[in-house]
Amino acid sequence: DVKVTQSSRYLVKRTGEKVFLECVQDMDHENMFWYRQDPGLGLRLIYFSYDVKMKEKGDIPEGYSVSREKKERFSLILESASTNQTSMYLCASSFRGSSYEQYFGPGTRLTVT
Amino acid sequence: AQSVAQPEDQVNVAEGNPLTVKCTYSVSGNPYLFWYVQYPNRGLQFLLKYITGDNLVKGSYGFEAEFNKSQTSFHLKKPSALVSDSALYFCAVRDDNAGNMLTFGGGTRLMVKP
Repeated sequence: DVKVTQSSRYLVKRTGEKVFLECVQDMDHENMFWYRQDPGLGLRLIYFSYDVKMKEKGDIPEGYSVSREKKERFSLILESASTNQTSMYLCASSFRGSSYEQYFGPGTRLTVT
Repeated sequence: AQSVAQPEDQVNVAEGNPLTVKCTYSVSGNPYLFWYVQYPNRGLQFLLKYITGDNLVKGSYGFEAEFNKSQTSFHLKKPSALVSDSALYFCAVRDDNAGNMLTFGGGTRLMVKP
């Protein structure tokens, strides 16, 4: 079974703090993704990585950065957290190739106060 | 550009009745279509996908979906709903010209009443 794990299920941070969200997958997938999920908006792609040290911006990259130093690990960084970044964050991974489905982690519910 | 629409925010169905969750899409090339389910406080789980071939695709937990190219639709169906099917369902599309990025619909909440 594919396992995608995220470092925290729930996180509360203050405005202006730097926040790190970690994601690890154990299936040797080339692709890794970070999404945020908000009610009525579905999932929106923040960043995508197709290889170590490679990244592409998704639909809503502003206020976020990412790091992929190892194939199995993909980190999302909020440089200076703001209240409008309160959301559910989902990590996913997949094999390279359009026909492959993505496998998701359990999500991190981040609250910024 | 690729897009997907789920026109219903919520679908209510009685246990034992058939269910349909609707999805329509727009792509410039050929579509790859996916359905995912999300149970409370969990990540998304893959249900089924259409890549090519037979228009009726069978997936996990007795779900199936029908690809209709002329109507650009990929509706999720199940012949007999269970209370445990109550969850949030997402349709997603990828244009075969658009690399690896998926576009998700807004989600449909399925409520199955006993």
